[in-house]
Amino acid sequence: QKEVEQNSGPLSVPEGAIASLNCTYSDRGSQSFFWYRQYSGKSPELIMSIYSNGDKEDGRFTAQLNKASQYVSLLIRDSQPSDSATYLCAVNFFSSGSARQLTFGSGTQLTVLP
Amino acid sequence: DGGITQSPKYLFRKEGQNVTLSCEQNLNHDAMYWYRQDPGQGLRLIYYSQIVNDFQKGDIAEGYSVSREKKESFPLTVTSAQKNPTAFYLCASSISRDDEQYFGPGTRLTVT
Repeated sequence: QKEVEQNSGPLSVPEGAIASLNCTYSDRGSQSFFWYRQYSGKSPELIMSIYSNGDKEDGRFTAQLNKASQYVSLLIRDSQPSDSATYLCAVNFFSSGSARQLTFGSGTQLTVLP
Repeated sequence: DGGITQSPKYLFRKEGQNVTLSCEQNLNHDAMYWYRQDPGQGLRLIYYSQIVNDFQKGDIAEGYSVSREKKESFPLTVTSAQKNPTAFYLCASSISRDDEQYFGPGTRLTVT
């Protein structure tokens, strides 16, 4: 069973702080990793993708990947109240044949306090 | 404007009725997907399609059916055989199976 684990939270940080969201996955052969943001009642929105070990920065967001530890994280710098949402980690696992299947974690709820 | 549309946004049905959810994309993506999300849970894959006239079961296909007659369209039918159909249904698409997936706005189905 391919698994993606996230702390469900809620995680609360004050405005302006760094929010750190973590995700572990079970398949060492995974190649693609994604972070989605989902506001309450809305659909997920892709905010970051990462494919190789190390850090990838995009504005206030940094994704970090460590394949040896099977760990991917998302850092949000200068957190704003508008960042309050559920963050979903998604990992592409090999399924039947050579096809990959995107598996989602259950999400971490982030609240940024003004 | 390129994107994925789903209709309707809200749908109410009586138990025992089949219902079809619409998903259309104009992104020229080959792959399309249907997910189900229950409160406080992640997304679970129902069906996916990599090309026209071909589709594969996901993890929770029982009680659902799909068709892919056109590249742009991937409708999902929730049949009366689905035991717990009330959920938030999300359609997604990607350039190919291995690429980033983009989601439509979703359909919230309530069956009573």
